[in-house]
Amino acid sequence: DAGVIQSPRHEVTEMGQEVTLRCKPISGHDYLFWYRQTMMRGLELLIYFNNNVPIDDSGMPEDRFSAKMPNASFSTLKIQPSEPRDSAVYFCASSRRPGTGTGELFFGEGSRLTVL
Amino acid sequence: DAKTTQPPSMDCAEGRAANLPCNHSTISGNEYVYWYRQIHSQGPQYIIHGLKNNETNEMASLIITEDRKSSTLILPHATLRDTAVYYCIVRVALSANYNTDKLIFGTGTRLQVFP
Repeated sequence: DAGVIQSPRHEVTEMGQEVTLRCKPISGHDYLFWYRQTMMRGLELLIYFNNNVPIDDSGMPEDRFSAKMPNASFSTLKIQPSEPRDSAVYFCASSRRPGTGTGELFFGEGSRLTVL
Repeated sequence: DAKTTQPPSMDCAEGRAANLPCNHSTISGNEYVYWYRQIHSQGPQYIIHGLKNNETNEMASLIITEDRKSSTLILPHATLRDTAVYYCIVRVALSANYNTDKLIFGTGTRLQVFP
């Protein structure tokens, strides 16, 4: 199993540009999570999906952020327009249905975003 | 809120046991204690979880107090590669959906293993 795959690993962009981060969850996992990590705020949950449907997006900072999951094997997190304060490492994670296996979240390697 | 309290940092000598405490005084009866760690620049990695009995796997042991208000993660023989941030979270593992506030990782404990 290849694990959770995220792209790009690193992105440097200028303020005002659109940023799209991508995630491929582990096959067979029903849940997908987007987290953001900064030194100041630690690891924050932004949104999570169950069977491609967004369940809770209360962690999404503002309307500039949007996330989609068009199918079970792909999700995107988009920031438009980007701002310097969006600079962070964005992690995607997936898991099986609660109550199956260990219930653990499997994290990707993260996408490090720098907005100049 | 993370619903858990951990010390911000700890040191441990290589080869010795590392005991990382976590306070979860508001834990509910159906909530599990999960431990993850994050090695620099990588995504968090699952270590172990438990409900009320002590648990052990190839990575660590988890000791949960009888009242379940606190737990301790034990790395029996710490190595330099165990230097990481360790997160303790509590959440329900058997519900149909996640309770979002149970997926908050907090700031964790930064464990430094020294030679």
